[in-house]
Amino acid sequence: GNSVTQMEGPVTLSEEAFLTINCTYTATGYPSLFWYVQYPGEGLQLLLKATKADDKGSNKGFEATYRKETTSFHLEKGSVQVSDSAVYFCALRGDETSGSRLTFGEGTQLTVNP
Amino acid sequence: ETGVTQTPRHLVMGMTNKKSLKCEQHLGHNAMYWYKQSAKKPLELMFVYSLEERVENNSVPSRFSPECPNSSHLFLHLHTLQPEDSALYLCASSQDSGTSTDTQYFGPGTRLTVL
Repeated sequence: GNSVTQMEGPVTLSEEAFLTINCTYTATGYPSLFWYVQYPGEGLQLLLKATKADDKGSNKGFEATYRKETTSFHLEKGSVQVSDSAVYFCALRGDETSGSRLTFGEGTQLTVNP
Repeated sequence: ETGVTQTPRHLVMGMTNKKSLKCEQHLGHNAMYWYKQSAKKPLELMFVYSLEERVENNSVPSRFSPECPNSSHLFLHLHTLQPEDSALYLCASSQDSGTSTDTQYFGPGTRLTVL
């Protein structure tokens, strides 16, 4: 079955540091890949997505590239801000043979200090 | 983001109470979902509705009863819950439930505490 593995947290950075949160996946067929963000006390917000190999998703300074050869979708940001403190979830949606299930990683807590 | 709304945002209930969670989507989507998010555990998909028909039910106890009267509204009826049911309940919607490019949009969640 499909699965998503995220780097373990929590991650603590200083403001303006470079961020990488690793995500690797296992899936059959041609899945789509997503990053969601959850700010304290809120639901999940779609951050970015990529639907085919070599696509790069980007939003709010965050980027992730769909790498089929390494089955990865690592999240990066060049300069984090305090307001980026949140939990980040990598997710995968399989093709028609995998049904409607969106498979999530366990989430990575990011704290950015001023 | 006001595409998917959930009420109430917070709910405290006793084990003998009956309550309902409401979700409404304003995105014109055809599929709606209930998820449970507990501390230290991955998100759990509970129910999936597509065009108002339940298409997935992931071994959820019968004390949780979903209802989808139309494609814009989804309810989760709760009765005789247990303290371990305390969690954040998230609703989501998407255009279609069958394709890999389909993107789910989430509501803010209902924080449920069962005493």
